[in-house]
Amino acid sequence: AQSVTQPDIHITVSEGASLELRCNYSYGATPYLFWYVQSPGQGLQLLLKYFSGDTLVQGIKGFEAEFKRSQSSFNLRKPSVHWSDAAEYFCAVGSYNTDKLIFGTGTRLQVFP
Amino acid sequence: GAGVSQSPSNKVTEKGKDVELRCDPISGHTALYWYRQSLGQGLEFLIYFQGNSAPDKSGLPSDRFSAERTGGSVSTLTIQRTQQEDSAVYLCASSWTRSSYEQYFGPGTRLTVT
Repeated sequence: AQSVTQPDIHITVSEGASLELRCNYSYGATPYLFWYVQSPGQGLQLLLKYFSGDTLVQGIKGFEAEFKRSQSSFNLRKPSVHWSDAAEYFCAVGSYNTDKLIFGTGTRLQVFP
Repeated sequence: GAGVSQSPSNKVTEKGKDVELRCDPISGHTALYWYRQSLGQGLEFLIYFQGNSAPDKSGLPSDRFSAERTGGSVSTLTIQRTQQEDSAVYLCASSWTRSSYEQYFGPGTRLTVT
């Protein structure tokens, strides 16, 4: 079955620390992979996406993610977290032959000053 | 430019009543999606429109849920005889085409069934 797993429900980091949010997927076809961020009361904003090519992708707000096919992972990273990064982060998977995205359950990021 | 808009932003209704949720996609976007986000859950796909047709309704949880799209633009999600388990945030997204996958999300409608 197609699925996305975000093993960390809640992560707390200090401002300025590095961040890695985990995402693992199970998908039969070649996956398209996405990270979205949702601030309180807001819709989802696309941070970055991977379709093909270079497995390290850069996104907005200083985020990057690396696709590792052998590990079925697409972890999100940021070298130095800012207080404004506090939000909920969703990993999602799709494919060229499907219309819908499958989302993980999200990771809530809390940032301490 | 204007993003995806949804109305109302909040809706409180009594169990058994019908509700209509509205989505205005970004102008020119042909694909439109409805998702449901329940507390502590990820986003659950409900239905997808390409133009005015809905090739994928597989996510609608029951026959109490229906959706339509008119003029290739505005979409309405209708929930009949609401139940408490329908309480959730309903998110709408749109994209240029089904293959673009850059889905732009609206702020959502928070539905509370009492």
